[in-house]
Amino acid sequence: QSVLTQPASVSGSPGQSITISCTGVSSEVGNCNYVSWYQQYPGKAPKFIIYDFTNRPSGVSNRFSGSKSDNTASLTISGLQAEDEGDYYCSAKGGGSTWVFGGGTKVTVL
Amino acid sequence: EVRLVESGGGLAQPGGSLRLSCAASGFSFTNYAMTWVRQAPGKGLEWVSSISGGGDSRKYADSVQGRFTISRDNSKNTLYLQMNSLRVEDTALYYCVKVYDGSGYCFERGGDYWGPGTPVAVSS
Repeated sequence: QSVLTQPASVSGSPGQSITISCTGVSSEVGNCNYVSWYQQYPGKAPKFIIYDFTNRPSGVSNRFSGSKSDNTASLTISGLQAEDEGDYYCSAKGGGSTWVFGGGTKVTVL
Repeated sequence: EVRLVESGGGLAQPGGSLRLSCAASGFSFTNYAMTWVRQAPGKGLEWVSSISGGGDSRKYADSVQGRFTISRDNSKNTLYLQMNSLRVEDTALYYCVKVYDGSGYCFERGGDYWGPGTPVAVSS
């Protein structure tokens, strides 16, 4: 099973932009191999915020954007707001038809 | 509106069993793969198992292979997870997840709807 690595924490001031990296992503695209991102507040279920590396589900703020470069996927939060504080997880296809998550990143708004 | 409601969690002894259920509504259940994901207290998300829309393909994490069995009853729009030989390290909140991909497979593509979770505690 592959390992996805995220920074443990990222912080920023209101209005700033922050980027969370997710390394260890396969360079192959397609064949069910896509990165998705989730936002989780304490005591709540994760929320689907990015799929297929760059796409936002309906209803998700356009302040969230995803990208990919080589073996790294990234989530950028623009115009950081207090409500963006929480944990963020990337996920992707692992080896042997598995689904793997990154370790999670705690976002703090200063 | 998509709705997923888990049940069946609780306290079990090491070596014991539990059966989780997830009642789904608001979408064509048969058309979508479904997944169980767990989260130990204070820890990150861990994929547990997935099943295709028709139930013909099942995958498991190494940590539960041979102990857990995923199944579904498409006539009842319900997903199950039979957990046997439980270990202390299985203690977690278990989430039922609808897979985003509409092919009925491709569970690795992500989960667009998550239930609130059902807690499982394994302790003597």
